[in-house]
Amino acid sequence: ETGVTQSPTHLIKTRGQQVTLRCSSQSGHNTVSWYQQALGQGPQFIFQYYREEENGRGNFPPRFSGLQFPNYSSELNVNALELDDSALYLCASSLAGRNIQYFGAGTRLSVL
Amino acid sequence: DQQVKQNSPSLSVQEGRISILNCDYTNSMFDYFLWYKKYPAEGPTFLISISSIKDKNEDGRFTVFLNKSAKHLSLHIVPSQPGDSAVYFCAASNNNAGNMLTFGGGTRLMVKP
Repeated sequence: ETGVTQSPTHLIKTRGQQVTLRCSSQSGHNTVSWYQQALGQGPQFIFQYYREEENGRGNFPPRFSGLQFPNYSSELNVNALELDDSALYLCASSLAGRNIQYFGAGTRLSVL
Repeated sequence: DQQVKQNSPSLSVQEGRISILNCDYTNSMFDYFLWYKKYPAEGPTFLISISSIKDKNEDGRFTVFLNKSAKHLSLHIVPSQPGDSAVYFCAASNNNAGNMLTFGGGTRLMVKP
């Protein structure tokens, strides 16, 4: 059974640029959620995708957007990067309606 | 406002003793609670969970207690081992709101040999 994998592991961007982060779900999982973890804080929910549609969203602006593909993999896109977007971005997969989510190792994004 | 709070940023315990990690929540709509463990450079790993219809769930050395009236849960690790040293996150979800997880800020547990 393959776990949740994320790429890249690290990324450095400058303010104003755009970034795409990728996630492959754990085998058999059809729901993907994205979280942002700032240094010293707990993860914060960005949004969730199910059946290729956004299924819930946290308190993040529209420049944070996502996609889910038919194979359940997912992308997180962030436009017009700001310094405060520097964080660890975590992807988690689960079965629809199930509470337990399984996390990838994350992508560390630094915005300079 | 923080709906899930872990008021102790760190905890140090001797190997073999009990570790007790605490978590408080404010949203009475939460009906499922989870604990995750996180090592550096790894993602959070699911540890144990509890539904709001229960007040205790046990899995080996790990036990989670839920006090709904106090909106408080705790994770007990007995006996603590050096390999348990990690950051522990408490999380809560509402089954009627898409199962998004709301996390606390984490508690760093250090188990000393």
